[in-house]
Amino acid sequence: AQTVTQSQPEMSVQEAETVTLSCTYDTSENNYYLFWYKQPPSRQMILVIRQEAYKQQNATENRFSVNFQKAAKSFSLKISDSQLGDTAMYFCAFMRRTSGTYKYIFGTGTRLKVLA
Amino acid sequence: DAGVTQSPTHLIKTRGQQVTLRCSPKSGHDTVSWYQQALGQGPQFIFQYYEEEERQRGNFPDRFSGHQFPNYSSELNVNALLLGDSALYLCASSSTLAGTYNEQFFGPGTRLTVL
Repeated sequence: AQTVTQSQPEMSVQEAETVTLSCTYDTSENNYYLFWYKQPPSRQMILVIRQEAYKQQNATENRFSVNFQKAAKSFSLKISDSQLGDTAMYFCAFMRRTSGTYKYIFGTGTRLKVLA
Repeated sequence: DAGVTQSPTHLIKTRGQQVTLRCSPKSGHDTVSWYQQALGQGPQFIFQYYEEEERQRGNFPDRFSGHQFPNYSSELNVNALLLGDSALYLCASSSTLAGTYNEQFFGPGTRLTVL
């Protein structure tokens, strides 16, 4: 069974600084997707960034980028130029397709606080 | 586009009661997944509906059941409520159209409190 581990329950960063959130996962699959989701205090979960396992190039979305190490089963999120609006819970998620359906597995989350 | 909507926003029940939560998917989406998010935890997959059938199920007892309607909206039913069922229940929708990677869009959730 797949598992997703986020070992940092809470983190803080000064506004405009850079922070990296860690995520490791365990799977025997070769084709899968990895995601980072953000859940602000208003609680609606939104997608931050995704990575297809078959792509070697790390995904980037503006100030957000990932460091995907497939062999090490590591998928960290780097937030550059942190903003107050980045304060939220961040969840790492693993997804694989089976028989036309799919299933997401989430980590326990990292609470990020951006300090003014 | 209203996105994924859920009702009600909050709900308070007592142990042993039954509850029904509702979800309307994002326009164009045909698949609905339900998650339970306990306080301070990540979402736990309950089940997924596509073409009005349950396609996948997580490690949840039979007290948790669901339904999907022809318009793709969905209900989550929980019978014989326990205190441990108190959580935020999230609905997520996605499309099975070719070329998509099943990106999920989440609703705001329903906060269920069992007393």
